[in-house]
Formats: sequence, C-alpha cells, structure tokens
Amino acid sequence: GNSVTQMEGPVTLSEEAFLTINCTYTATGYPSLFWYVQYPGEGLQLLLKATKADDKGSNKGFEATYRKETTSFHLEKGSVQVSDSAVYFCALSGNQGAQKLVFGQGTRLTINP
Amino acid sequence: GAGVSQSPSNKVTEKGKDVELRCDPISGHTALYWYRQSLGQGLEFLIYFQGNSAPDKSGLPSDRFSAERTGGSVSTLTIQRTQQEDSAVYLCASRSGQGRAGEQYFGPGTRLTVT
Repeated sequence: GNSVTQMEGPVTLSEEAFLTINCTYTATGYPSLFWYVQYPGEGLQLLLKATKADDKGSNKGFEATYRKETTSFHLEKGSVQVSDSAVYFCALSGNQGAQKLVFGQGTRLTINP
Repeated sequence: GAGVSQSPSNKVTEKGKDVELRCDPISGHTALYWYRQSLGQGLEFLIYFQGNSAPDKSGLPSDRFSAERTGGSVSTLTIQRTQQEDSAVYLCASRSGQGRAGEQYFGPGTRLTVT
C-alpha cells in the first residue's frame, strides 16, 4: 500500500538557518504530494502541494519539488524564522476515488532566536 | 467564511462508555473525512464520505467505530464501548468535490481521553 517516510525529529535550528526536511514515498500510480503544517495550538493546514512529477510547490518561503525518480518531496526553506516553529507532515493522496491522505509521522521543528 | 468545526473540543469518558463526536464541514463541500491522530500511530485515515455515502470505511479500526452523515453536511463519529487505546485526537476534514488533489480543510479536532 501507499506510505510516506519523513526524517526523524525533533529538529532545532537557529533563526535564518537553512531548513531541509526529507520525505520519501511509496505509491502505486501517480499520487499527489502535500506538506501540511500544525502550528502550536492550531489545526492542520495545507502548506504546499504538487500534483505531478517535476512540479514545485511553494508557499511562505517554503518549497518542495516532486521527484518521481527518487520518490521524494523534500521540504526546504532558505532562512527560517521563529514563527516557523511547528510540526510538519508530508502526505500523499491518490487522484481518484476517496483521495484520502496518507501521512508521514511528522517532524517537530523548533527555531531559536 | 466559516471553516470546519468540531464538537466537543475535549471529551473525557470512562472505559466502556459510548461517545459521539460531531463534525460540521465547510458549506458546500461534498467530501468529508475522519482521521485520528495518536502518539503511537501518527495520523491515520478512518472513513470517507461522498455526500451521505461512505464508499471507503477501510480505516475504521474495529466494529465499535461507526459514522454517519446526514443532509450532505454534518457527520457524527460514534465509538461504542470505548477502550483506553481509543484515546486520541479525532480530526475531521472536508473537501470540495471539484477537481483533482483538492485541498482538505481540517477542523481543530476533538481530544478524546478514555480513563
């Protein structure tokens, strides 16, 4: 079945550091890929998505590129801020039927000033 | 506009009791999902509704779990004879029926604690 594997957390960085959170997936067919974020005390919200190979999703300075050859969707940001502290989830869905999300285990990111 | 709402926000119940969790999706969203977030299992899919039908119930962990949706809107997740392993945050999400890989909008969740 479909699955998503994220790098283990927690991750702690200083403000303005470069961020990478690795995500790889296993899926049949051509899934869509997502990054969701959960800020402290808030619900899950979509950060970015990509629906086909070589697409790049971007939002709030974050980027991720759908790499079919390496089955990866790594999240990157060039200069993190304290306000980026949150839990980040990589996820995939099929493109027909239920389109239910399959999530990675989540990575807790803490940015220190 | 209003987002997805869930009630109650917190529920503490004794082992063996039944509980009902409610989800109000975004108006007009035809697809509705229930997920569960727990320390041991992460975020996992429970059930999917399209309108009032549930074509995918594959994530329900046992026959103690059931869900219904009425009027293409509100959904209720019912857990009978609760067990301690049912303790988790139950999340509801809705999606417009249009298009491919449409965004799922999540509610704030119901934190269930079984004592």
